Amino acid sequence: EAQVTQNPRYLITVTGKKLTVTCSQNMNHEYMSWYRQDPGLGLRQIYYSMNVEVTDKGDVPEGYKVSRKEKRNFPLILESPSPNQTSLYFCASSFRGIDEQYFGPGTRLTVT
Amino acid sequence: QKEVEQNSGPLSVPEGAIASLNCTYSDRGSQSFFWYRQYSGKSPELIMFIYSNGDKEDGRFTAQLNKASQYVSLLIRDSQPSDSATYLCAVRRSNDYKLSFGAGTTVTVRA
Repeated sequence: EAQVTQNPRYLITVTGKKLTVTCSQNMNHEYMSWYRQDPGLGLRQIYYSMNVEVTDKGDVPEGYKVSRKEKRNFPLILESPSPNQTSLYFCASSFRGIDEQYFGPGTRLTVT
Repeated sequence: QKEVEQNSGPLSVPEGAIASLNCTYSDRGSQSFFWYRQYSGKSPELIMFIYSNGDKEDGRFTAQLNKASQYVSLLIRDSQPSDSATYLCAVRRSNDYKLSFGAGTTVTVRA
């Protein structure tokens, strides 16, 4: 089944404790992206990747890191999480560029 | 000014009616326009995309784009209770591969 998977789905952590949210797609998509969704603000793009080893900042990259060492994986790293990073995070992928994006199920992160 | 703005809603329509959703964007050079539907507690899914001025129809959905007015809309004809969701307008800005979303419009179709 073609899909985008994210892990974990739910995470409660404390300020400053490094964490990684994994994202994987099995559709051989070139483009992958991370978004955060907050009430009243909609989806905001954090980082995106056009292909392996090619990443670029979205609109809200501060406090986040990404890497794209393999085509199928695009992990999101929070080196020192803060409470303002409490949010719902979505990973998405598309075949090439900003095309039809397939979204993962979301990761709800709470930083206390 | 937000890059993508949508009617905040909520929008309540009776079953069988037309739901009309509006979206404006600030970057005049924007190239691609998308409508996503998001059910409560679920992830967004693409329902329509439009690149050129005019109308594009897909089943009960029609997207309309007017680049001169920087306006894109979505019409849902013969609205069904299953259309009750939040609709997100997304815009690819000029010369990059970023995607900007509006805050969404929540639609409720009442039986």
